[in-house]
Amino acid sequence: AQSVAQPEDQVNVAEGNPLTVKCTYSVSGNPYLFWYVQYPNRGLQFLLKYITGDNLVKGSYGFEAEFNKSQTSFHLKKPSALVSDSALYFCAVRAYGSSNTGKLIFGQGTTLQVKP
Amino acid sequence: NAGVTQTPKFQVLKTGQSMTLQCAQDMNHNSMYWYRQDPGMGLRLIYYSASEGTTDKGEVPNGYNVSRLNKREFSLRLESAAPSQTSVYFCASSEEPQTGKAFFGQGTRLTVV
Repeated sequence: AQSVAQPEDQVNVAEGNPLTVKCTYSVSGNPYLFWYVQYPNRGLQFLLKYITGDNLVKGSYGFEAEFNKSQTSFHLKKPSALVSDSALYFCAVRAYGSSNTGKLIFGQGTTLQVKP
Repeated sequence: NAGVTQTPKFQVLKTGQSMTLQCAQDMNHNSMYWYRQDPGMGLRLIYYSASEGTTDKGEVPNGYNVSRLNKREFSLRLESAAPSQTSVYFCASSEEPQTGKAFFGQGTRLTVV
């Protein structure tokens, strides 16, 4: 069965410090991996995706994510956190080779709190 | 550029009542989805429509029905609401179903009492 795990319910970081939000996945075949962000009372917004190629993917708002096939991980990172980065972050996966429907499997979400 | 629009934004229902959640997208996307979001559980797919005229069950379809009215609109119906359906519902559409990038509406917060 395909699944995504975000082991931390909440991550706290001071403004200006680097941040990491963790994600691991289990899927048959090569995964398509995504990060989405949800601000309060808003829908999800796409941050970045990994399909193939370079293991380090750059996305919106200065975020990047590192794909590690051996560890089946896709951690979200940012070198210097901003208070405005505080939000709920979701990792998601779609298995390559499944029907072309775009169905996503989401992790449970990680709340990022950046303190001034 | 409206993107994905959901109505209503908030709704309170009594157990056993029915209602339809509306969703429309103006991006000419073929694929549309309904998810529900519950605390600690992420988003779970209820139904999806890969193209106009087709619908398929997702992970948690029980208690729901959908209609893909046309390319723009994809509605979700609760025939007999139950407290377990209290949730935030998100509609999404995808320009690239092969790669999974989706655009989401702002959500409908539904409470069933």
